[in-house]
Amino acid sequence: EVQLVESGGGLVKPGGSLRLSCAASGFTFNKYNINWVRQAPGRGLEWVSSISGITNHIYYADSVKGRFTISRDDAQNSLHLQMNSLRGEDTAVYYCVKSSWQNDFFDYWGQGTLVTVAS
Amino acid sequence: QSVLTQPPSVSGAPGQRVSISCTGNSSNIGAGYDVHWYHQLPGAAPKLLIYGNINRPSGVPDRFSGSKSGTSASLAITGLQAEDEAEYYCQSYDTSLSAWVFGGGTKLTVL
Repeated sequence: EVQLVESGGGLVKPGGSLRLSCAASGFTFNKYNINWVRQAPGRGLEWVSSISGITNHIYYADSVKGRFTISRDDAQNSLHLQMNSLRGEDTAVYYCVKSSWQNDFFDYWGQGTLVTVAS
Repeated sequence: QSVLTQPPSVSGAPGQRVSISCTGNSSNIGAGYDVHWYHQLPGAAPKLLIYGNINRPSGVPDRFSGSKSGTSASLAITGLQAEDEAEYYCQSYDTSLSAWVFGGGTKLTVL
């Protein structure tokens, strides 16, 4: 059974930093693209970042480019998101999401971790 | 403002049929990228409902169906049940943004 478990969320002041982690199991982690997708309170879904399997190609949404850094540790089956220079608009539930084999849709989602940016 | 446009809400009585539209442009759906659908119950994570425009993952009832034409796609739900009450999102890829994009979501209310 595929499982994705996020951790690391919490309350942080504007301009601060936070590091999210995702522990994956139930599939061959290093072969798949893994993503972060966020959802602000009462709002829709927004793709944030993606890192490919094997080649480790990295992609970011314009809204986080230059502030967020995605990384993966295939030995530990884990994904990370280093978030710097946080803003109020980054407040959201952050989901760790596995891509399909064709990398065009998201087939498994974690339960999410809440990040709140407020003074 | 989402790249893909969905109606904010739809509603129907139990047993009825409803459909949810998802409109894009020539950079995403119209460029040939597939459309995928997710549903999200309150307080829960989204879950894949339809992939590749028309395909249902294992376990999704055949009451749910998808279609795509031109720059738009549609999700149809027949035989509405109370448990179908949820938020529904479409998703595709946008080549001009180089990003995976979502619709703004549609709240389905079962009357």
